[in-house]
Amino acid sequence: DFQMTQSPSSLSASLGDRVTITCRASQDISNFLAWYQQKPGQVPKLLIYDASTFHSAVPSRFTGSGSGTHFTLTISSLQPEDVATYYCQNYNSAPFTFGPGTKVHIK
Amino acid sequence: QITLKESGPTLVKPTQTLTLTCTFSGFSLTNSGVGVGWIRQPPGKALEWLALIYWNDDKRYSPSAKTRITITKDTSKNQVVFLMTNMDPVDTATYFCAHIDGYEKFDYWGQGTPVTVSS
Repeated sequence: DFQMTQSPSSLSASLGDRVTITCRASQDISNFLAWYQQKPGQVPKLLIYDASTFHSAVPSRFTGSGSGTHFTLTISSLQPEDVATYYCQNYNSAPFTFGPGTKVHIK
Repeated sequence: QITLKESGPTLVKPTQTLTLTCTFSGFSLTNSGVGVGWIRQPPGKALEWLALIYWNDDKRYSPSAKTRITITKDTSKNQVVFLMTNMDPVDTATYFCAHIDGYEKFDYWGQGTPVTVSS
């Protein structure tokens, strides 16, 4: 079965810290990888697609990278408004699976 | 401006069929590359992709639920209908519909509709 995994499942960091979230696919998905941000009580929002392309109005402190089976989402300087759960999603082919999520807290 | 809104029952009984409607505006499901998907999120848990229908009526279903799910579209009404049979308490979740254009990344989402399965 095709799977997406993320690590860590949660993290706590200080304001201004650099934060990195990893997403792995169980098979090669090229760069067909999206990242979503879901703030508490809100609808998920597309942040990045094609592994590294910003969707509209995404702050430049967010960066996506990777291809194949290994991807990362980096927040260069953590801000209070970045408290959220982040999900990766495969869209190379069906099933268009989401990862289990990484919850980001402020220390 | 693209908007989507889910509607349907908030409570269904076990074994019943869930019918949800996604009513959208700002795009047409007759345009090449466009699609509408359904994603759910159990309370406190992760997102789960369920189904997707494309402008050309092609459909994709999650393998874990494909025997229970049907997705259809009514382009004249700008609606997509999602059916899930034999509902169980584990299907309790917020159900979202979302837009795609060209590739299966969900760029616009509805607000979600909560569904509880309980007798």
